[in-house]
Amino acid sequence: DGGITQSPKYLFRKEGQNVTLSCEQNLNHDAMYWYRQDPGQGLRLIYYSQIVNDFQKGDIAEGYSVSREKKESFPLTVTSAQKNPTAFYLCASSPQSGTGELFFGEGSRLTVL
Amino acid sequence: SQKIEQNSEALNIQEGKTATLTCNYTNYSPAYLQWYRQDPGRGPVFLLLIRENEKEKRKERLKVTFDTTLKQSLFHITASQPADSATYLCALGIGGSQGNLIFGKGTKLSVKP
Repeated sequence: DGGITQSPKYLFRKEGQNVTLSCEQNLNHDAMYWYRQDPGQGLRLIYYSQIVNDFQKGDIAEGYSVSREKKESFPLTVTSAQKNPTAFYLCASSPQSGTGELFFGEGSRLTVL
Repeated sequence: SQKIEQNSEALNIQEGKTATLTCNYTNYSPAYLQWYRQDPGRGPVFLLLIRENEKEKRKERLKVTFDTTLKQSLFHITASQPADSATYLCALGIGGSQGNLIFGKGTKLSVKP
């Protein structure tokens, strides 16, 4: 079945460590996104990519990095520079020619110990 | 300042009644507005999109209205069921370009049998 797969579902990190969250899609979508969700707040855009080997910063990109070497993959690295990384991270994709409808993965919950 | 607000954090209704959720915004000129459903610990799922030149959209028991004068969208679920219990997110599409979706904080709907 087509969809977006995020892994791991749960991740624990010690302060000072970088972690990478995986996002893979087999929907053949051009655009991919990373959002962060915190309790009581709306989804906030971290990074997005409209095409392979190109990506743009969203509203809260500081302390995060991404790559888009393949159309189907858009991994997110949470670096030690991110001061408050504990959150629920959501990856999404959409077809370039669509109406902006997002297809989300099941999310990755990162907890910093 | 630019804001998007969903009228309440939580809404409790009786099974069979119509649930009405509100999304208000200020200082935006959205090209379209989307509604998503999110279950606990899961990624959001797209429900409906309505464009700025459309007044109303329907899909099965769901109805969305969009009033650009009032800067408001209403999301209705008729004949509500306990299975409709979830958090509902509205999202503004700004300028029609990829990556420019502004999400509200969501309204948690509980439908009691």
